[in-house]
Amino acid sequence: QKEVEQDPGPLSVPEGAIVSLNCTYSNSAFQYFMWYRQYSRKGPELLMYTYSSGNKEDGRFTAQVDKSSKYISLFIRDSQPSDSATYLCAMRVSSGYSTLTFGKGTMLLVSP
Amino acid sequence: GAVVSQHPSWVICKSGTSVKIECRSLDFQATTMFWYRQFPKQSLMLMATSNEGSKATYEQGVEKDKFLINHASLTLSTLTVTSAHPEDSSFYICSARVPRQETQYFGPGTRLLVL
Repeated sequence: QKEVEQDPGPLSVPEGAIVSLNCTYSNSAFQYFMWYRQYSRKGPELLMYTYSSGNKEDGRFTAQVDKSSKYISLFIRDSQPSDSATYLCAMRVSSGYSTLTFGKGTMLLVSP
Repeated sequence: GAVVSQHPSWVICKSGTSVKIECRSLDFQATTMFWYRQFPKQSLMLMATSNEGSKATYEQGVEKDKFLINHASLTLSTLTVTSAHPEDSSFYICSARVPRQETQYFGPGTRLLVL
């Protein structure tokens, strides 16, 4: 079993839809959770960062962490064609020099 | 958010030559930087972790003599692909960890094509 599982998609939705992107993980030591957005041929851009369980909202984006289920989600409200990209979840344990573990990424396509 | 730059954004070179890629943190000092490689439609593969003033830590299977990493200052890390071959063609991305934060910010990436 991979440490982080993420459905590669593609996930196709119409403009204005609510999008739900998810990752599951197996390592209960993960404490920090991030979502990155990556456009084609570009570096990943940090969207959301959460620590431990709970919700965090930033504009149209909401990140949710459920540590009991080892499940994290990113919700995008009022999706736009410009949201079309690959979304990568990433997480790490709490030790200072630990590296990020990434999911494979979900490709999102928002059609006008 | 913090800004990380990379140079060049793309490079084409002949087989056997060496290529240097620079990664800079523009508005913060990064004691730790990371180098990733990404193949088309695949996720990021960590190559090495670079700490300022010390030797890089390479991931298993990454040749340290092939991919030379130098982190000589708190704002600059370089990756040199030595004696490049066509199989080294890939998208190379660096990232930097912001001090006292748990997040990493990524550069825009460098696309390398070895002919």
